Amino acid sequence: GAVVSQHPSWVICKSGTSVKIECRSLDFQATTMFWYRQFPKQSLMLMATSNEGSKATYEQGVEKDKFLINHASLTLSTLTVTSAHPEDSSFYICSARDLGSEETQYFGPGTRLLVL
Amino acid sequence: QKEVEQNSGPLSVPEGAIASLNCTYSDRVSQSFFWYRQYSGKSPELIMSIYSNGDKEDGRFTAQLNKASQYVSLLIRDSQPSDSATYLCAVRNFNKFYFGSGTKLNVKP
Repeated sequence: GAVVSQHPSWVICKSGTSVKIECRSLDFQATTMFWYRQFPKQSLMLMATSNEGSKATYEQGVEKDKFLINHASLTLSTLTVTSAHPEDSSFYICSARDLGSEETQYFGPGTRLLVL
Repeated sequence: QKEVEQNSGPLSVPEGAIASLNCTYSDRVSQSFFWYRQYSGKSPELIMSIYSNGDKEDGRFTAQLNKASQYVSLLIRDSQPSDSATYLCAVRNFNKFYFGSGTKLNVKP
């Protein structure tokens, strides 16, 4: 199957700092990538849909000024958590849609964020 | 009503048995259906996809789709303790994906 990478795999930061997470599709082009957040023992929550060359579409309740998404190329999307606070600590997972594979969604390994 | 419904479980089966995981979806025009497995602390990994009515087999896994009943299931034959995980059902409706909340499966040695 298709491979999606995320970097970093985990990050610890101080409250008030910004954190950037990268999501790359390694062997296919992804016009659409998705960003999810998952708290312990809870289900995936879609935060936003990232479209190459255009603005991201945010789900209701997700602050677009806090979670900045950039999808500058067909293989890279970034999520920046601005002015992070302890309540932003979570498991952030990206996925990429492979148009060549019946539009299957493949997930990255996730980034664990801990804000102190 | 949620787009995709799954029983949260946990579903417990003994090693070697068949595990049956079920999922219903609300939108009749949904086009593609997926099963993902998520181990604790890890991201989901794709197990199978199915697009047409009927059964699709891949090793110990069989996905079943019934569009008339808006129902998709996953059978795991010869269940192993390593199959213990949360199984997520996902449905694609044009440009949107909808995930169920997952069913936790425990396979007891």
